[in-house]
Amino acid sequence: NAGVTQTPKFQVLKTGQSMTLQCAQDMNHEYMSWYRQDPGMGLRLIHYSVGAGITDQGEVPNGYNVSRSTTEDFPLRLLSAAPSQTSVYFCASSDHDAGSYNEQFFGPGTRLTVL
Amino acid sequence: GENVEQHPSTLSVQEGDSAVIKCTYSDSASNYFPWYKQELGKRPQLIIDIRSNVGEKKDQRIAVTLNKTAKHFSLHITETQPEDSAVYFCAAGDSGGSNYKLTFGKGTLLTVNP
Repeated sequence: NAGVTQTPKFQVLKTGQSMTLQCAQDMNHEYMSWYRQDPGMGLRLIHYSVGAGITDQGEVPNGYNVSRSTTEDFPLRLLSAAPSQTSVYFCASSDHDAGSYNEQFFGPGTRLTVL
Repeated sequence: GENVEQHPSTLSVQEGDSAVIKCTYSDSASNYFPWYKQELGKRPQLIIDIRSNVGEKKDQRIAVTLNKTAKHFSLHITETQPEDSAVYFCAAGDSGGSNYKLTFGKGTLLTVNP
């Protein structure tokens, strides 16, 4: 199993450009999420999904879109990049047992710089 | 929503000493409390977790305690080693219904000096 994979590892964008951060998992996990990590701020939830076709907003959703057409993939779209979106982005996935948490497995991260 | 406070933000100890990191949470509905370790440039990895029906859990040199009344949980690392140096994050979540959001603390940079 590859686990949770993310592409690209690094990306530099200009203000106003759009791009998609890719996330895939091969563990058949129902729950997937996107976090951003900024110095001194911990991990903040952007969007999450509890299954194919179901997404919801997290703590910091503005400027980002997601969709979940398959169990395996959960891409994050930046519609019009801003310098404030410079960050390290982590995707995570976990099993989804009713009424119980399971371990979230993180991908290796994407380091994004917006100029 | 949930708010998780984590202290201290930095902690320096001598090899062999113990380290304690503390977190408080605000939402009494939270019932799951994981701890993640993140080495420099790496992804966060779960090291231990505790659910609200348990007061303490131990795994070798790592233990976590939970006080639901005070909304407080702590990570204890004994006999610290240089390879324990990393950033540690606590988190809290409520598994009720379909809400599986985790809220993370801001992290503690632990440095173990040889």
